[in-house]
Amino acid sequence: GDSVTQTEGLVTLTEGLPVMLNCTYQSTYSPFLFWYVQHLNEAPKLLLKSFTDNKRPEHQGFHATLHKSSSSFHLQKSSAQLSDSALYYCALSDQTGYQNFYFGKGTSLTVIP
Amino acid sequence: GALVYQYPRRTICKSGTSMRMECQAVGFQATSVAWYRQSPQKTFELIALSTVNSAIKYEQNFTQEKFPISHPNLSFSSMTVLNAYLEDRGLYLCGARDSQNTLYFGAGTRLSVL
Repeated sequence: GDSVTQTEGLVTLTEGLPVMLNCTYQSTYSPFLFWYVQHLNEAPKLLLKSFTDNKRPEHQGFHATLHKSSSSFHLQKSSAQLSDSALYYCALSDQTGYQNFYFGKGTSLTVIP
Repeated sequence: GALVYQYPRRTICKSGTSMRMECQAVGFQATSVAWYRQSPQKTFELIALSTVNSAIKYEQNFTQEKFPISHPNLSFSSMTVLNAYLEDRGLYLCGARDSQNTLYFGAGTRLSVL
């Protein structure tokens, strides 16, 4: 079945260093991929969504490229900010009739001064 | 823009009683609504996926008898936690999907059980 695997656990970075959170997926069909961000005591919010035409989505300095050959949708940012500290979830939406959403287990990013 | 209102934000109920939470999509028509519970480990457990005019699909370990869902129209869904016990505690999230296949979350309902 469909599934998402992402960098698990805790990632700690120093402010100003690049961010790279890995996400790979398994899907029978060509899925949509998403990144959600959840700050402390808040609900998850959509950060990025893959495009069907190979464009690279960008938001708040984050970007991700869907690579079908390697089934990946890694999240990147050139320079981490303190405010980037949050939980990040990679998610996949299949294209079956029920259009299920599958979430990775989440990565906790902490950016330190 | 697309917004999803979920209420209440927090609720406390006595063990064995029930509570209902509601979800409203604003600014778009939701093609489906998914209800999740976020575990203490912060993973998402899908409870059920609801599409208007179709049968609600419950995931393993979740049943309609325990978590009845109503989805009468494209913008509104509600879920009840019946006979809540300690193991039902957690953050319940509704996610409404738009026609572009994007899922938008409500603010969540944090359930505490005494």
